[in-house]
Amino acid sequence: AQSVTQLDSHVSVSEGTPVLLRCNYSSSYSPSLFWYVQHPNKGLQLLLKYTSAATLVKGINGFEAEFKKSETSFHLTKPSAHMSDAAEYFCVVSERYTGGFKTIFGAGTRLFVKA
Amino acid sequence: GAVVSQHPSWVICKSGTSVKIECRSLDFQATTMFWYRQFPKQSLMLMATSNEGSKATYEQGVEKDKFLINHASLTLSTLTVTSAHPEDSSFYICSARSIAGGPNEQFFGPGTRLTVL
Repeated sequence: AQSVTQLDSHVSVSEGTPVLLRCNYSSSYSPSLFWYVQHPNKGLQLLLKYTSAATLVKGINGFEAEFKKSETSFHLTKPSAHMSDAAEYFCVVSERYTGGFKTIFGAGTRLFVKA
Repeated sequence: GAVVSQHPSWVICKSGTSVKIECRSLDFQATTMFWYRQFPKQSLMLMATSNEGSKATYEQGVEKDKFLINHASLTLSTLTVTSAHPEDSSFYICSARSIAGGPNEQFFGPGTRLTVL
């Protein structure tokens, strides 16, 4: 069965410092993993995705994530936070099953960026 | 490419009325569309999955007679909230999976904010 756990409901960093948003997953098969960002009252924007290719995935706006199968983790990082990064971030796992695809969202992590 | 639109972006209605929300894939064909709802400061919860030309599959706890989903074409799915009540107020987001798209990727619409008075 699928599940996604975002380990922190809130993360606060200072502008210019590194960002780490943690995500652990469980999946019966080989999953695809995604990170999405949502700004207030906006839809979802795809940051990056892992689909069984390179384990280190680079996304937009300087974000990247590393798929670690042994740790069942897919943490999101960015070397230097910007004020515009303040938003809600969702880790998502998707896998194929006999009836189609199943996609599960994590609970989300709110990123605060202090000046 | 891979743009999904929703209309309206926000709607306010009186209790007891019905509201229809449209989800369109603008530059691709979508065999499957998904409807989610999101309460304030919470994650997205999948309501139903619709495949073009067939009945939608609803998640447990979602009333199919209250949330009517129609996926009449490869580019359009509609969600109708029937006899809306204040507790139906939420942010509704659709997503679409492309026929030719990358593995397991969904493209999300901008969302529709529903407020029921």
